[in-house]
Amino acid sequence: IVLTQSPGTLSLSPGERATLSCRASETISSHYLTWFQQRPGQAPRLLIFGSSNRATGIPDRFSGSWSGTDFTLTISRLEPEDFAVYYCQQYATSRTFGQGTKVELK
Amino acid sequence: QVQLVQSGTEVKQPGASVTVSCKASGYTFNNYDINWVRQATGQGLEWMGWMNPKTGTAESAQKFQGRITMTRNTSTTTAYMELRSLRSEDTAVYYCARWGKILWFGELLSKHYYNAMDVWGQGTTVTVSS
Repeated sequence: IVLTQSPGTLSLSPGERATLSCRASETISSHYLTWFQQRPGQAPRLLIFGSSNRATGIPDRFSGSWSGTDFTLTISRLEPEDFAVYYCQQYATSRTFGQGTKVELK
Repeated sequence: QVQLVQSGTEVKQPGASVTVSCKASGYTFNNYDINWVRQATGQGLEWMGWMNPKTGTAESAQKFQGRITMTRNTSTTTAYMELRSLRSEDTAVYYCARWGKILWFGELLSKHYYNAMDVWGQGTTVTVSS
């Protein structure tokens, strides 16, 4: 299963809303879709599991949703620490990552 | 606390092999699979494979089959990933990550079980260069 993330880069300012997309090449249950955040020089960090459930300690400005093969990560109001790269990942069939979306400071 | 601590930086010549270790602590090692993920400089995450520490069963991504071996030492709670026949394209940071099990209560207290890479090692840089 190929996951295609868009856009590649999102240029936004603090306080703005970020909407990141992840499209699966075939139908997968929302159960098997996960989102990660990776800051420069750090290991990835689990954000969202089961498409919409926040991991422990993740602020509620992060939310996930889905429709068919389209999965969305939304950051309602960007904080300075949210500028990072975000990856979706599926485990319905084996495990694969999307190529990532970079959220950068405008 | 739950953590995975990986071995240090490696520099290898093309054609050689590298073994990266991942020591687990703060949880029952046998109860959680270990995944291996790599990231070339400036690139995205690439899943390489997983291993069940209790049974030793492992599965790798098709791309790495025949070149990767994942093992463990349960007495030292350490997982290992060996990659053989190294080439320059294998230059990357290699991560181990625990395959966590998450119990989530939904509406009307319905139970849902999820898996996710919930704990990551700090990464091991492997450079392949002549």
